[in-house]
Amino acid sequence: RKEVEQDPGPFNVPEGATVAFNCTYSNSASQSFFWYRQDCRKEPKLLMSVYSSGNEDGRFTAQLNRASQYISLLIRDSKLSDSATYLCVVNILGAGNKLTFGGGTRVLVKP
Amino acid sequence: EAQVTQNPRYLITVTGKKLTVTCSQNMNHEYMSWYRQDPGLGLRQIYYSMNVEVTDKGDVPEGYKVSRKEKRNFPLILESPSPNQTSLYFCASSLNRNEKLFFGSGTQLSVL
Repeated sequence: RKEVEQDPGPFNVPEGATVAFNCTYSNSASQSFFWYRQDCRKEPKLLMSVYSSGNEDGRFTAQLNRASQYISLLIRDSKLSDSATYLCVVNILGAGNKLTFGGGTRVLVKP
Repeated sequence: EAQVTQNPRYLITVTGKKLTVTCSQNMNHEYMSWYRQDPGLGLRQIYYSMNVEVTDKGDVPEGYKVSRKEKRNFPLILESPSPNQTSLYFCASSLNRNEKLFFGSGTQLSVL
């Protein structure tokens, strides 16, 4: 089992709709969680950190479910410009104590 | 402007010809890291550095070398590139290994 797993998609989303997707992690002691956005062949850019209480940034909402070991990202009122790959990043404790990337979830917003 | 500068953006080379990809950050970050990204495999860590003169292997270090002589620079060296090292490479830095990463704009390397 991979340490950090994501549904690769693509999620085809009508413009204006809401889309949500999850990322599961295997190490229950993981501490830090992030969502990054990556456009095709470009560098990943931080979208938002994920806090235990959940957090919101405009149309984006991130949640953490420690009991079930997943984080989620919800995008409301999808824009065409939201089309991208969304990478889940988890700090894996133990050997290495490093940030580990999921494979990404591709989102395509269509008119 | 706070940034991670990575060069070159594109590089085509031949098998066995040594090359260096440079990475520099101006944010006084302690932690720097190199990743390669391949279709279906996501981002995989090659090497990382916790601070000057401190480097360690990531998940896929074979065929690569790094050095951290100065805090701002973290070059990636391929002593004898092979076609399986054809990939998209990213350098990244952060305050420490648990904090958010800032990425360079990437280097698309093709080894013929």
